[in-house]
Amino acid sequence: SAVISQKPSRDICQRGTSLTIQCQVDSQVTMMFWYRQQPGQSLTLIATANQGSEATYESGFVIDKFPISRPNLTFSTLTVSNLSPEDSSIYLCSGEIYADTQYFGPGTRLTVL
Amino acid sequence: KQEVTQIPAALSVPEGENLVLNCSFTDSAIYNLQWFRQDPGKGLTSLLLIQSSQREQTSGRLNASLDKSSGRSTLYIAASQPGDSATYLCAVRRDTDKLIFGTGTRLQVFP
Repeated sequence: SAVISQKPSRDICQRGTSLTIQCQVDSQVTMMFWYRQQPGQSLTLIATANQGSEATYESGFVIDKFPISRPNLTFSTLTVSNLSPEDSSIYLCSGEIYADTQYFGPGTRLTVL
Repeated sequence: KQEVTQIPAALSVPEGENLVLNCSFTDSAIYNLQWFRQDPGKGLTSLLLIQSSQREQTSGRLNASLDKSSGRSTLYIAASQPGDSATYLCAVRRDTDKLIFGTGTRLQVFP
């Protein structure tokens, strides 16, 4: 199994600023992902974080708004840029090994004023 | 396009009841299916993973079954407890592609 931690656990940000979320896995995983969960909704995949190369974004998500880094097999960051109130959500990272069980971090609750 | 639906959307039961949560998916060509639990404001905890070649998986009071041909999975919770109160999500994977999440079932077990 894998234990995933995220920082910060929550934040309140002003409109127009950016927030960077860190995700750390306690063991090497082949894949890391970033999800968004809007209030009362299920999870929506933002992108797959690829080690050492550009992330693979899902339809409706772009690199300028959600830049992602993954410098090694156990760490990734997601930045949510130019924040607006519509970005208020829980952001979750996850990791898995070869399409097996996917493990999730505790999430980052973002509120944009 | 794969769509995953969970019924019921919400469920409230007294402690001790046996429960069945349902998950249906439109494309039966899946690689595996995973059940998760999410407590309010928290991340997801993996409960059970069923590979496409398997019919069921069990962990403690939880049993998940898979019927690929009919596009259905069920999560059975025996002797429910207040601590089981959470949202339960199923997610399916096609090949080694991404997970597609269901809409979730919000469960409340009262003493």
